[in-house]
Amino acid sequence: GENVEQHPSTLSVQEGDSAVIKCTYSDSASNYFPWYKQELGKGPQLIIDIRSNVGEKKDQRIAVTLNKTAKHFSLHITETQPEDSAVYFCAATLIYNQGGKLIFGQGTELSVKP
Amino acid sequence: SAVISQKPSRDICQRGTSLTIQCQVDSQVTMMFWYRQQPGQSLTLIATANQGSEATYESGFVIDKFPISRPNLTFSTLTVSNMSPEDSSIYLCSVDTSPVNNEQFFGPGTRLTVL
Repeated sequence: GENVEQHPSTLSVQEGDSAVIKCTYSDSASNYFPWYKQELGKGPQLIIDIRSNVGEKKDQRIAVTLNKTAKHFSLHITETQPEDSAVYFCAATLIYNQGGKLIFGQGTELSVKP
Repeated sequence: SAVISQKPSRDICQRGTSLTIQCQVDSQVTMMFWYRQQPGQSLTLIATANQGSEATYESGFVIDKFPISRPNLTFSTLTVSNMSPEDSSIYLCSVDTSPVNNEQFFGPGTRLTVL
């Protein structure tokens, strides 16, 4: 089955700097890679996703890149702000029929210092 | 997206008892899932709640411990049975709102502490 490794487990940056979180997956058949942000006491929030037919996707200050050959994908946050502080989870799945089972990475606790 | 609510938001229970968690969605959805998030850990899929049929459980999770109901396309329940302190976790439901986009959205979670 699929296995997802996420690094680093903690990341501390200064406000305005960029943050990068990396994930690797094991199943080359996986074709959908979402990223979630979880703030303290809340459920995970989908912030961006990428499918295997594209290599990069951007949404304002966040972007995700996918390297299918190397089986890794990354989240990039530019111009970080204190409100970006949260735990970020990557996930991978094989989408088939009407859905797929998300396999999550271990999470990265991002701290943005003002 | 979808608006997802869970009840209760948190509870403290005694070992040996059972707790039923409710998940309500503001629109009909095809797929509903239940996850467990142990303290400081990642999310693990417990089961897929199937409308009109038995839930599909992941390895390590059994129906006797985590019975699930899904009577319609907007509602599901998860019961944590015969609880022990090891069941202390956040329990999250999620929904897949579109068979085309396959995006999963999560509820706010139920924080369970077992004494």
